[in-house]
Amino acid sequence: AQSVAQPEDQVNVAEGNPLTVKCTYSVSGNPYLFWYVQYPNRGLQFLLKYITGDNLVKGSYGFEAEFNKSQTSFHLKKPSALVSDSALYFCAVRDMAAAGNKLTFGGGTRVLVKP
Amino acid sequence: DAGVIQSPRHEVTEMGQEVTLRCKPISGHDYLFWYRQTMMRGLELLIYFNNNVPIDDSGMPEDRFSAKMPNASFSTLKIQPSEPRDSAVYFCASSLEGAVETQYFGPGTRLLVL
Repeated sequence: AQSVAQPEDQVNVAEGNPLTVKCTYSVSGNPYLFWYVQYPNRGLQFLLKYITGDNLVKGSYGFEAEFNKSQTSFHLKKPSALVSDSALYFCAVRDMAAAGNKLTFGGGTRVLVKP
Repeated sequence: DAGVIQSPRHEVTEMGQEVTLRCKPISGHDYLFWYRQTMMRGLELLIYFNNNVPIDDSGMPEDRFSAKMPNASFSTLKIQPSEPRDSAVYFCASSLEGAVETQYFGPGTRLLVL
């Protein structure tokens, strides 16, 4: 079975400050990991993914995420947050060992960036 | 490419009525996914198809829900009869063949059952 936990329902940060959104996962084998963002009244948009290789993955809009196998984490980061980054962020995992193409999503973390 | 297209964008209906949600995946994509999003339960996978064939429908809540994919460019999610607890945003997503391929989401259908 595969699962994802996003321990924070909401993260508040001042504009210009670093932003971190936490994600931990559980899979039987090795993971494929994804981050998506959802703006109000919109569908989810892909930000970045980790498949293999370098543990630091760079994605859209200046976001990056670091894969940490020992801590089973894949935290999303941005060095300097913008007000426009305010949105709902989802982490997702797929177990490489599992059949099919099914992603399991976390519960989401709402990010509020204040001017 | 126009992306994943869903219709209608909003649907208001009365309890007991049949509801049909429609999705057109990105051309060439082999996988199609239906999700439901609510405040209480978050984002749930209902069913997904590969090459028009349902692969995993374990997330479909009950027999009132059914999904079809008659061809590579069209899928429907039907609720009959609808109930107030079905009120949610329903998303369709598609992806290419391959375990690491990104899923691309449509804008969603916001369903309200009165």
